[in-house]
Amino acid sequence: GNSVTQMEGPVTLSEEAFLTINCTYTATGYPSLFWYVQYPGEGLQLLLKATKADDKGSNKGFEATYRKETTSFHLEKGSVQVSDSAVYFCALSDSSSGNTGKLIFGQGTTLQVKP
Amino acid sequence: NAGVTQTPKFQVLKTGQSMTLQCAQDMNHEYMSWYRQDPGMGLRLIHYSVGAGITDQGEVPNGYNVSRSTTEDFPLRLLSAAPSQTSVYFCASSQGIGKAEAFFGQGTRLTVV
Repeated sequence: GNSVTQMEGPVTLSEEAFLTINCTYTATGYPSLFWYVQYPGEGLQLLLKATKADDKGSNKGFEATYRKETTSFHLEKGSVQVSDSAVYFCALSDSSSGNTGKLIFGQGTTLQVKP
Repeated sequence: NAGVTQTPKFQVLKTGQSMTLQCAQDMNHEYMSWYRQDPGMGLRLIHYSVGAGITDQGEVPNGYNVSRSTTEDFPLRLLSAAPSQTSVYFCASSQGIGKAEAFFGQGTRLTVV
């Protein structure tokens, strides 16, 4: 079945460091891919998305490219800030059911940025 | 914009008690879902609905019931709470076919003792 695998956390970086959080997926068909962010005590917010191969999603300095050949959707940011400290989830839409809003999530990666 | 509203935010139950987690959205979205979040396991789908009167099971449906009598509301019922249901519960909605982006509520932190 469909699945998402994220790199293990927690990830601890200094401010202004480069961030990569790896995400790979297994899916039939052509799913949409998402990165969600969860700040402490809050719900999930959509960070960025890509709906087809080679699409690049971007938002707030974060980027991710839909790579069908490597089944990956790695999240990157060139210079992290303390305010980026959060849990990041990679997810895919279950396209086998016609994009019903059902999402399959990775386990989440905690990012801590130190001043 | 209210978006997706969940109540309550926190709840403590005794084993065997029942309760309903409320979820309402004001975006006229067709699709609504319930997920539970457990440490190291991401979010797992409990139940979902593609429209009023239509519901189906997700990955972890046992011990939970849902109904969808209106487009706006999608309550989740715990029939007889168990400690294994201690978790954070999230309700989400999305627009419909071709619009898989989901909008989430703030969550309900449930503890079963």
